[in-house]
Amino acid sequence: QKEVEQDPGPLSVPEGAIVSLNCTYSNSAFQYFMWYRQYSRKGPELLMYTYSSGNKEDGRFTAQVDKSSKYISLFIRDSQPSDSATYLCAMSKGGADGLTFGKGTHLIIQP
Amino acid sequence: DAGVTQSPTHLIKTRGQQVTLRCSPKSGHDTVSWYQQALGQGPQFIFQYYEEEERQRGNFPDRFSGHQFPNYSSELNVNALLLGDSALYLCASSPPGGEKLFFGSGTQLSVL
Repeated sequence: QKEVEQDPGPLSVPEGAIVSLNCTYSNSAFQYFMWYRQYSRKGPELLMYTYSSGNKEDGRFTAQVDKSSKYISLFIRDSQPSDSATYLCAMSKGGADGLTFGKGTHLIIQP
Repeated sequence: DAGVTQSPTHLIKTRGQQVTLRCSPKSGHDTVSWYQQALGQGPQFIFQYYEEEERQRGNFPDRFSGHQFPNYSSELNVNALLLGDSALYLCASSPPGGEKLFFGSGTQLSVL
């Protein structure tokens, strides 16, 4: 079993829909949870950052962390064609520990 | 304010050769990490440098080595290149005491 599981998709939704992306993980020591957006072989761009459990909202994006279920989610409201990209979840134990990434979900927003 | 910059953007090498990739961190950041991203996969942690020392290392062989300079910039060296080393190599930096990582655009390495 991989430490972080993420459905690679592709996930295709119409413009304006609410998008739900998620990851599960097995290591209960993870404390920091992030979502990155990556366009076509460019560097990942940090979208959301959460410490421990809870919700965080930033504009059209909401990140949720449920440590008891080892499950994290990213919601995108009012999705736009420009949101089409690969979304990577990442997590770490903190300190010098490197990030452990999921494989990424390829999202397509249809105009 | 420049973000994380990496050079070169693309590189083609042959098996057995050696390669050096370079990274300048975001202004104000003192910690640099390197990641390898194969096609269709998430990035994998290679190592992290802080105060010119390797602080943590992922599951990569000794052929992968690095260096951090007093100005916080960093190099990644890979010796005895294998076909499987073909990937996007990403550099990320973080601020003092911070956990957020900011990535550069990467160096696309092709090994023929």
